[in-house]
Amino acid sequence: QQPVQSPQAVILREGEDAVINCSSSKALYSVHWYRQKHGEAPVFLMILLKGGEQKGHEKISASFNEKKQQSSLYLTASQLSYSGTYFCGTEDYGQNFVFGPGTRLSVLP
Amino acid sequence: EPEVTQTPSHQVTQMGQEVILRCVPISNHLYFYWYRQILGQKVEFLVSFYNNEISEKSEIFDDQFSVERPDGSNFTLKIRSTKLEDSAMYFCASTEVGNSDDGYTFGSGTRLTVV
Repeated sequence: QQPVQSPQAVILREGEDAVINCSSSKALYSVHWYRQKHGEAPVFLMILLKGGEQKGHEKISASFNEKKQQSSLYLTASQLSYSGTYFCGTEDYGQNFVFGPGTRLSVLP
Repeated sequence: EPEVTQTPSHQVTQMGQEVILRCVPISNHLYFYWYRQILGQKVEFLVSFYNNEISEKSEIFDDQFSVERPDGSNFTLKIRSTKLEDSAMYFCASTEVGNSDDGYTFGSGTRLTVV
């Protein structure tokens, strides 16, 4: 079952912060985050495997709340290069992996 | 950095024709996947492949689709009789192991246009 992402779209000015949420109705083994720029393939950002885990990648970090079956992606001091569509991907204990519908992020100068 | 390569980058075909999309996964990866993305929509899982057989497939992956690893390097997706609604971007991906800490590495995709 597809995870839910919110918001669907967000517009930021350079330097502003954003949070993208991903939640599932199923118990999750892991959560992946990907960024896709227009016309390109999704690019892997990070995977979170354990409840309570947090990971960082430059100024992009994420957390995984296993009990709530949700993950959040944090983008701080956004840069123009952060623009794109962010997909979470959730994997359940049956090794079923499914992408969320995506959150379109636009960073303006 | 190792990458997944896909050919062709763009394929235009007439409805009812067969197409074969090609992928060369990363050489030490063992799990291979096909995903598709209709323009502006989400990335949808089609099929996963391990040890020369399909390990998982979605409802989208019906009898008109097939996958093959004809040699040690290529991984192909065949659509037997294309329909207009097959028009999409098709991504191949690979992972070293099934539950990978490194995530999926995607190829740059093949844009299939059925006319």
